[in-house]
Amino acid sequence: GQNIDQPTEMTATEGAIVQINCTYQTSGFNGLFWYQQHAGEAPTFLSYNVLDGLEEKGRFSSFLSRSKGYSYLLLKELQMKDSASYLCAVVDSNYQLIWGAGTKLIIKP
Amino acid sequence: GAVVSQHPSRVICKSGTSVKIECRSLDFQATTMFWYRQFPKKSLMLMATSNEGSKATYEQGVEKDKFLINHASLTLSTLTVTSAHPEDSSFYICSATLGGGDVETQYFGPGTRLLVL
Repeated sequence: GQNIDQPTEMTATEGAIVQINCTYQTSGFNGLFWYQQHAGEAPTFLSYNVLDGLEEKGRFSSFLSRSKGYSYLLLKELQMKDSASYLCAVVDSNYQLIWGAGTKLIIKP
Repeated sequence: GAVVSQHPSRVICKSGTSVKIECRSLDFQATTMFWYRQFPKKSLMLMATSNEGSKATYEQGVEKDKFLINHASLTLSTLTVTSAHPEDSSFYICSATLGGGDVETQYFGPGTRLLVL
């Protein structure tokens, strides 16, 4: 079966750095998305990786290793507004999006 | 750009009634729209994929007659929950893609919270 694993919850301190991991086992791979979802709101797009390596976009970076079936989202200089759930989603061989359950990130002052 | 709206944002209805949710792409034409359902602290669950002018493709386990989807134009898709029951209470989210590629970023609407009494 297809599976996306993310930690359920993480806690970090304002101003610090946090890494949210995502591992996947899917039938084929055509890219991986990270979305941010604030409580009670719809997800918003953060990043898309299809090639191995690190892509940086401001305070957020996303890394992919296809051979390891692994990605992480790195958030730097954490702000209170970064408190949200972070969803990992993989595009499989049929170009279907397989969603992880999300990681709830709690930022403490 | 790529703004998606949903209406209503919140609806409370009595059991047995039908509820229509609209999803609109405001500044682009969406070749494909998706309807999701999300339970608290759970992942997004894809209900159906909708292409303009054709019948929606429903995921396994989703009742077509209960969740009616109409994609009448390139900017509007509607989801009608027919004869709603309390177990249909959930957060319904639509998304849309610009189209043209195999892998498309989905742009999400703000969601509709449905409570069936």
